[in-house]
Amino acid sequence: DAGVTQSPTHLIKTRGQQVTLRCSPKSGHDTVSWYQQALGQGPQFIFQYYEEEERQRGNFPDRFSGHQFPNYSSELNVNALLLGDSALYLCASSFWTGYGETQYFGPGTRLLVL
Amino acid sequence: AQKITQTQPGMFVQEKEAVTLDCTYDTSDQSYGLFWYKQPSSGEMIFLIYQGSYDEQNATEGRYSLNFQKARKSANLVISASQLGDSAMYFCAMRSTGNQFYFGTGTSLTVIP
Repeated sequence: DAGVTQSPTHLIKTRGQQVTLRCSPKSGHDTVSWYQQALGQGPQFIFQYYEEEERQRGNFPDRFSGHQFPNYSSELNVNALLLGDSALYLCASSFWTGYGETQYFGPGTRLLVL
Repeated sequence: AQKITQTQPGMFVQEKEAVTLDCTYDTSDQSYGLFWYKQPSSGEMIFLIYQGSYDEQNATEGRYSLNFQKARKSANLVISASQLGDSAMYFCAMRSTGNQFYFGTGTSLTVIP
């Protein structure tokens, strides 16, 4: 049973560039959430996708956008990168119940913005 | 506002001893969930244990147990019989009624041989 997978594992970009991160959910899961984890901090919720729509969004600017595909995989896009966007980006998947569910995390993508 | 507080930046425990990691939360939701995750240096967040706000019994999963005190809004993680492989960051998290997750700042646990 494959768990949550993310690609790439590491990425180096320069300020102003754009980046796309990818996530495949755990088998049987239909909901994907994205988190940003700065060094020494806990993960911060970016947004959540279910049925190819953004269902919830945290306090992140519009430079952060996403997409969910019919096979439930998801992308996180960040435009106009800033130095402060350097972080570990975690994807979590779950099965939507409308009530609440346990999220399972992938290994993350480490983004460094120079 | 939803908030998770972990007041122990770092903890040390002797191998085979038990350790308690503290977590308090603040919410006005009636229905919520509390979680503990382990994050090794590799970065992946590993789910350990879950407690629902309406669950009357404390959750247990193997060597992990969650000491849930609803009136005090605390959800402490107890790890029994610590192992060297338990050395990692531990995060307490809360799922709100709106299905958003909020994480604390974490506790770094070091198990000493």
